[in-house]
Amino acid sequence: AQRVTQPEKLLSVFKGAPVELKCNYSYSGSPELFWYVQYSRQRLQLLLRHISRESIKGFTADLNKGETSFHLKKPFAQEEDSAMYYCALSPHSISGAGSYQLTFGKGTKLSVIP
Amino acid sequence: KAGVTQTPRYLIKTRGQQVTLSCSPISGHRSVSWYQQTPGQGLQFLFEYFSETQRNKGNFPGRFSGRQFSNSRSEMNVSTLELGDSALYLCASSDGTGEYYNSPLHFGNGTRLTVT
Repeated sequence: AQRVTQPEKLLSVFKGAPVELKCNYSYSGSPELFWYVQYSRQRLQLLLRHISRESIKGFTADLNKGETSFHLKKPFAQEEDSAMYYCALSPHSISGAGSYQLTFGKGTKLSVIP
Repeated sequence: KAGVTQTPRYLIKTRGQQVTLSCSPISGHRSVSWYQQTPGQGLQFLFEYFSETQRNKGNFPGRFSGRQFSNSRSEMNVSTLELGDSALYLCASSDGTGEYYNSPLHFGNGTRLTVT
């Protein structure tokens, strides 16, 4: 069974400071990892996915298979980054079976202090 | 395109009753997933439907069921409600074809179910 752990429920940083939201996973196979974000009064939405190796809104995340981690980072936090962040895992299979079954972490609330 | 629409937004039911929640996906999306969100357990996968067939199922009792119609709209049913079923139920749609990472989930605003 897969598991996603986000050790921090709440993370407070000052504007302009670096941000790192931690995510660790447990999965025996080769996973696909994602970060979803929920801003105040908005829907849960995809922020980024490791397969794309993209940077969205200044955020990046590197999959470290050795440490089974997928931490989300941003060098300089902005007030508009304040939100709930969820790390999620999808099993990767050649057939695609189960690939639409996401396992989410419990989330980290990021608060950026002006 | 209109986003994922869930109805109703709020529901209050009594223990033992049953409830049906509805989800209309983004036009063209053929996959609909359901998640339960509670403060204690977080977001938990219920099931996923694609082209009217249940393709994936989470670890929930048989009281939780769903279906998908030919127009991709989906309903979720919970029978014999228990207090612990109180939660936010989120529906999400995606293209549903190919690998998941190429068609991410688009979530609705959810239905808040309260069981008294």
